[in-house]
Amino acid sequence: DAGITQSPRYKITETGRQVTLMCHQTWSHSYMFWYRQDLGHGLRLIYYSAAADITDKGEVPDGYVVSRSKTENFPLTLESATRSQTSVYFCASSETETQYFGPGTRLLVL
Amino acid sequence: QKEVEQNSGPLSVPEGAIASLNCTYSDRGSQSFFWYRQYSGKSPELIMFIYSNGDKEDGRFTAQLNKASQYVSLLIRDSQPSDSATYLCAVNDKTSYDKVIFGPGTSLSVIP
Repeated sequence: DAGITQSPRYKITETGRQVTLMCHQTWSHSYMFWYRQDLGHGLRLIYYSAAADITDKGEVPDGYVVSRSKTENFPLTLESATRSQTSVYFCASSETETQYFGPGTRLLVL
Repeated sequence: QKEVEQNSGPLSVPEGAIASLNCTYSDRGSQSFFWYRQYSGKSPELIMFIYSNGDKEDGRFTAQLNKASQYVSLLIRDSQPSDSATYLCAVNDKTSYDKVIFGPGTSLSVIP
């Protein structure tokens, strides 16, 4: 199906483990984004990408790594998960300023 | 630091009333303004965007922009229980065309 998908939808992990969240879009949008959403903070930008092989830091990049080898995929890796990274993670894509969001991944770090 | 502020609510209105959601932003150079709706447990979805001063209407929704006051609002007429959600205001980051800055959101509850 066309659109933007995220996997897994739910993830429980332990502190210190590496976790990768996947994001895939079928629109061939140039721009892709990773946000985290926490109570009291709203949506905060972690990383974004303007095209394949072009990525840049957002507001809260520490502890996260991204890559974009193909236009349609934008994985987010937590290199060594911490409890403070427990959150809901949203991927989004856009071709103009209107962003389209994936369904989100709920991550719990124990 | 660029900021987008909204009253967190919750804002409660009776069914059929007008709901008024407000947003202020700090970057005077911002050009594009967006309202997203987010149902509980779901992802945000765009409902309105506005670029010019004044009002923009789309069905029961009206976005209002006043750049001089750095203020944007969303009016929902004839509010329905299905409008109960969190409404996120977003403003473009003029240093980067493709980025927007989101406010914390206002929770709206429409009481039947």
